[in-house]
Amino acid sequence: GENVEQHPSTLSVQEGDSAVIKCTYSDSASNYFPWYKQELGKRPQLIIDIRSNVGEKKDQRIAVTLNKTAKHFSLHITETQPEDSAVYFCAASSGANNLFFGTGTRLTVIP
Amino acid sequence: KAGVTQTPRYLIKTRGQQVTLSCSPISGHRSVSWYQQTPGQGLQFLFEYFSETQRNKGNFPGRFSGRQFSNSRSEMNVSTLELGDSALYLCASSREGQGSNEQFFGPGTRLTVL
Repeated sequence: GENVEQHPSTLSVQEGDSAVIKCTYSDSASNYFPWYKQELGKRPQLIIDIRSNVGEKKDQRIAVTLNKTAKHFSLHITETQPEDSAVYFCAASSGANNLFFGTGTRLTVIP
Repeated sequence: KAGVTQTPRYLIKTRGQQVTLSCSPISGHRSVSWYQQTPGQGLQFLFEYFSETQRNKGNFPGRFSGRQFSNSRSEMNVSTLELGDSALYLCASSREGQGSNEQFFGPGTRLTVL
């Protein structure tokens, strides 16, 4: 089955700096890669996703890149703000509605 | 449009009991997936239902089961509860039947097994 690894597990950045979270996957059949943000005590919320026919996608301060050859994808958050502090999960799926999640990255933005 | 809802939000059970959790998807969404979230194992896929049929299943024992009704609402059942079943159980709904589609999560049911 699919195995998704996520690094780092914790990340602290100064407000205004950039944050990068990286994930690798094992199943070459995976073609959908969403990123979720989960604040303490709340549900995971989709913040951005990318499909395997695209190499990069951007939405305001958030961008995701995908390298199919190397089987890795990354989340980039620019101009971080305190409200960006949360746990971020990457995930991969191969065409069915079952997501394989990474272990999460706890991002702390220091004001 | 109302989001995904789950009931109950909190549940306390003792070992050996069984429990049923409910999930109502976003109106028009026909696929419901269930996930277990624990500090140690993270988010793990349990199963997915579409058109009242289980279409995908994760690597969980047979004590975990589910079903989906004609209105797309779904329930999951855990029998013979174990301490290790304590977790946040999340359901997610998506619109389409096939392919990788955006999944929208409910608030979860926090199950504590004593």
